[in-house]
Amino acid sequence: DAGVIQSPRHEVTEMGQEVTLRCKPISGHDYLFWYRQTMMRGLELLIYFNNNVPIDDSGMPEDRFSAKMPNASFSTLKIQPSEPRDSAVYFCASRGLALTDTQYFGPGTRLTVL
Amino acid sequence: QKEVEQNSGPLSVPEGAIASLNCTYSDRGSQSFFWYRQYSGKSPELIMFIYSNGDKEDGRFTAQLNKASQYVSLLIRDSQPSDSATYLCAVETGGGNKLTFGTGTQLKVEL
Repeated sequence: DAGVIQSPRHEVTEMGQEVTLRCKPISGHDYLFWYRQTMMRGLELLIYFNNNVPIDDSGMPEDRFSAKMPNASFSTLKIQPSEPRDSAVYFCASRGLALTDTQYFGPGTRLTVL
Repeated sequence: QKEVEQNSGPLSVPEGAIASLNCTYSDRGSQSFFWYRQYSGKSPELIMFIYSNGDKEDGRFTAQLNKASQYVSLLIRDSQPSDSATYLCAVETGGGNKLTFGTGTQLKVEL
């Protein structure tokens, strides 16, 4: 398996623009997680899905953020409108059924909002 | 109080020494604990997990858990320069499948 795939790897945009981040989880994994990492706040869970259903979105910072998982092999995280404080590395991760299964992270998308 | 706390470091140890990384957590209901390693510019990767009090060994790595003290640690024996990275402690929280991460401890292994 190619692992968790994310695109784009780097995104530079201007404040106010819409940003869409994409993730393809490992085939057969039941859980998908979106995280954001900054120097100040570390790695924060934004939302996670189980079998394509959003389970907990309490980490989504505000209504400007939305996430979808239309099928088992694809998820998106959208920011509209983007702001400079959204600049961070966004990771997608997937995992099998058990909590102690390894959570595999994608390579991340480095987002810069000017 | 943060849910998961780690000393940010950097922690510097000489090659061949034992590196000791520590983590405390606030949720007494947490049952599972994880250590991830993250190289600069890369994504986190799982080193090991522990869910029973005591020690768990895997090669040069030993995880230690003390639920009464809400404390988990990672020992790296015979530290190598390739161990230089940021180590993230993660704790299962919310009674479910969520992991809460500490901000990480930067380890530097010096020649």
